[in-house]
Amino acid sequence: EVQVVESGGGLVQPGGSLRLSCAASGFAFRTYWMTWVRQAPGKGLEWVANIKEDGSERYYVDSVKGRFTISRDNAENSLYLQLNSLRAEDTAMYYCARFIGFGWLDPWGQGTLVTVSS
Amino acid sequence: DIVMTQSPDSLAVSLGERATINCKSSQSVLYSSNNKNYLAWYQQKPGQPPKLLIYWASTRESGVPDRFSGSGSGTDFTLTISGLQAEDVAVYYCQQYYGTSYTFGQGTKLEI
Repeated sequence: EVQVVESGGGLVQPGGSLRLSCAASGFAFRTYWMTWVRQAPGKGLEWVANIKEDGSERYYVDSVKGRFTISRDNAENSLYLQLNSLRAEDTAMYYCARFIGFGWLDPWGQGTLVTVSS
Repeated sequence: DIVMTQSPDSLAVSLGERATINCKSSQSVLYSSNNKNYLAWYQQKPGQPPKLLIYWASTRESGVPDRFSGSGSGTDFTLTISGLQAEDVAVYYCQQYYGTSYTFGQGTKLEI
């Protein structure tokens, strides 16, 4: 079964850091771009970052540039998102997804919740 | 960045009837070199992650019921659900994947 499973979310204070992980299985992870998408409570979806198969290209939404870093370990079939200088507006469910073809996303994980609050 | 705007924000449709959701992009997502529209549709049921329904604006993902269909080109797109069933209650999102920055519409909540 093709699946991705996120972990690492939690409660963090403003200005703090967190590292999210995404474990992939059931497909050749090293041959796919991967993506993080977030969803604030009761709100819509926001694309956060993409990373190329070999990690050589990374793209971010403007609101997280310089604060978040997407990375991957193809030997471990894992995707990561390092979140630094966190703000209240970063509070969201963070989803990992496989990037198919030219940019549609499937499957999505169940998400990991990040709450930024003092 | 390309802005995606969906309409309506919410709609209520009777069981067995047709639901139509619109998505408009601030610039064309039709790539001239391959004549494909870089647009996808997702369904998100309460408490669940989004699920891919359609890509290339009109290609149904494997396993998606044929009552779901996508149409449109350039900047204007439509998701149609024919013969609405109770299990179709969800929020529907369009997404453009043109270029290196990807954006979603704000979502359309579909109710019975």
